[in-house]
Amino acid sequence: DGGITQSPKYLFRKEGQNVTLSCEQNLNHDAMYWYRQDPGQGLRLIYYSQIVNDFQKGDIAEGYSVSREKKESFPLTVTSAQKNPTAFYLCASRDYNSPLHFGNGTRLTVT
Amino acid sequence: QKEVEQNSGPLSVPEGAIASLNCTYSDRGSQSFFWYRQYSGKSPELIMSIYSNGDKEDGRFTAQLNKASQYVSLLIRDSQPSDSATYLCAVNRAQTGANNLFFGTGTRLTVIP
Repeated sequence: DGGITQSPKYLFRKEGQNVTLSCEQNLNHDAMYWYRQDPGQGLRLIYYSQIVNDFQKGDIAEGYSVSREKKESFPLTVTSAQKNPTAFYLCASRDYNSPLHFGNGTRLTVT
Repeated sequence: QKEVEQNSGPLSVPEGAIASLNCTYSDRGSQSFFWYRQYSGKSPELIMSIYSNGDKEDGRFTAQLNKASQYVSLLIRDSQPSDSATYLCAVNRAQTGANNLFFGTGTRLTVIP
């Protein structure tokens, strides 16, 4: 079955620590995305990547970093520079101009 | 002006009624339109896609697109408590590149038994 796998489902970290969220897809999609969602809020784009070894900042990239070394993988690192990292993080992928397919999300809590 | 606008709700309808969710968009050249359903604490799931003017029906769901008026709507017939969720409208603009999909903030629907 094709899909997007995000891990872990829940993540707890102490303030000041970097943390990496995993996203893997086997849909053979070129484009991958990271969104952040806060309670009762819409989706905000963090980073996106159209092809391997290329990625672009979204609307709220500060305090985050990504890599795209393989077509299937698009990990997101939440750095200590991100002032309010506690949120629900969603990874997605799609073919050009097609609907987004979402992973199940990672809920990050930083204390 | 936001790319995609939705009434945040909450919208409450009794079980069995028709729920009507609306979405307007700013780019007249937009080509593809999607509705997602998101249950609390879960990720969005695609429920409808529509690409041309008119109605598209899928079971109890009907998507309606009016490009001249720049709005797209989702009707849910015979609403069930299990339809209670936030519904996100997404619009694909005509511009090239991967960052051409824009989401509304969502409308929260509650179906009252």
